[in-house]
Amino acid sequence: NAGVTQTPKFRVLKTGQSMTLLCAQDMNHEYMYWYRQDPGMGLRLIHYSVGEGTTAKGEVPDGYNVSRLKKQNFLLGLESAAPSQTSVYFCASSFDWIQETQYFGPGTRLLVL
Amino acid sequence: RKEVEQDPGPFNVPEGATVAFNCTYSNSASQSFFWYRQDCRKEPKLLMSVYSSGNEDGRFTAQLNRASQYISLLIRDSKLSDSATYLCVALIGGNKLTFGTGTQLKVEL
Repeated sequence: NAGVTQTPKFRVLKTGQSMTLLCAQDMNHEYMYWYRQDPGMGLRLIHYSVGEGTTAKGEVPDGYNVSRLKKQNFLLGLESAAPSQTSVYFCASSFDWIQETQYFGPGTRLLVL
Repeated sequence: RKEVEQDPGPFNVPEGATVAFNCTYSNSASQSFFWYRQDCRKEPKLLMSVYSSGNEDGRFTAQLNRASQYISLLIRDSKLSDSATYLCVALIGGNKLTFGTGTQLKVEL
């Protein structure tokens, strides 16, 4: 089992460019989450999904969109990147809703210039 | 005021020492608490849950004090491999997982 994987691991964007972060899990988890982690701040929930075909906004959803077309994949899109979106992005999944054991991917480091 | 607050550290301790971290939470509706461990430039991983009666797992002990609204993590006989950032996490209202900013621990020879 690979667990939770994220692609890419690192990316540099120019302001205004778009990109998609891919998260994949092979644990058959229903729930998936996207977080961002910034210095001096805890992990913050961007969007989440409670199952295939469903998505919902988290704490900081502005500037991001998500899709969950397949149960194992959760995509995070940035339509027009801004420097404020420079961060480390973590995807996570869990068997149950906000279950204590959230399995995190290795993260994607994004730098927006 | 942040919902979950932690001393960022770093806590520099010699190998074999006992070290304790506290984490305070502001929302009395917080239901469950956890400690996650995050190594440098890696993803967070669940270390242990924090139960009202306390929870011990080997060298690690977690406790909850609802009256004073804090949780603690005690590490005995520190190892070099314990060097990491420890994240305090609270589940609020059954649907909001709030992460602290973490406490950095450095265990030295």
